[in-house]
Amino acid sequence: AQKITQTQPGMFVQEKEAVTLDCTYDTSDQSYGLFWYKQPSSGEMIFLIYQGSYDEQNATEGRYSLNFQKARKSANLVISASQLGDSAMYFCAMREANAGGTSYGKLTFGQGTILTVHP
Amino acid sequence: ETGVTQTPRHLVMGMTNKKSLKCEQHLGHNAMYWYKQSAKKPLELMFVYSLEERVENNSVPSRFSPECPNSSHLFLHLHTLQPEDSALYLCASSQDSGLRTDTQYFGPGTRLTVL
Repeated sequence: AQKITQTQPGMFVQEKEAVTLDCTYDTSDQSYGLFWYKQPSSGEMIFLIYQGSYDEQNATEGRYSLNFQKARKSANLVISASQLGDSAMYFCAMREANAGGTSYGKLTFGQGTILTVHP
Repeated sequence: ETGVTQTPRHLVMGMTNKKSLKCEQHLGHNAMYWYKQSAKKPLELMFVYSLEERVENNSVPSRFSPECPNSSHLFLHLHTLQPEDSALYLCASSQDSGLRTDTQYFGPGTRLTVL
């Protein structure tokens, strides 16, 4: 079963409008972290925003905010006032609790959503 | 600002060639990662190094051989690759704090084409 599901292969938005990119996740852990990354056509994965499972408030970073609904296991990314430079692939990822005593946490990525911003 | 750099950015190689991908992080992190990104597939974690020790080998074929000589450098040695190995190979690093907030920062990737 997929742990991270992004149901929108592609999204279109008009410049200066807001857009929501969907992400649902599946985990039995109580402690986990959710991340959003942006990948322009150049290939680099750019970290955007983080939400912890115990965080009571939705994360915000500039024009990015995360609509975190824990009971529904969703962590949607909201981009306000879209800009042409926002056109890219967006990935949702989850970091679950460490397993086996290792000190690192494994990131699981979704399939991604291609966002196109129209002028 | 490029905290994680990768070279080369593009690589074309034959199936009998041997080549290496290089990753360097300038963030003072303790963990480094190799990911494979194929078309229409999610990112696949290949290897993880924590404090220069390999802690994860995600069922990767032996034709991919990682090396981590120190906490700032990570290599991926390639030999006898197959055309299906053509992909974007991304390197990442993180503080490896053990906390949920530990964030991975990625390099620009190496676009590999195997002929």
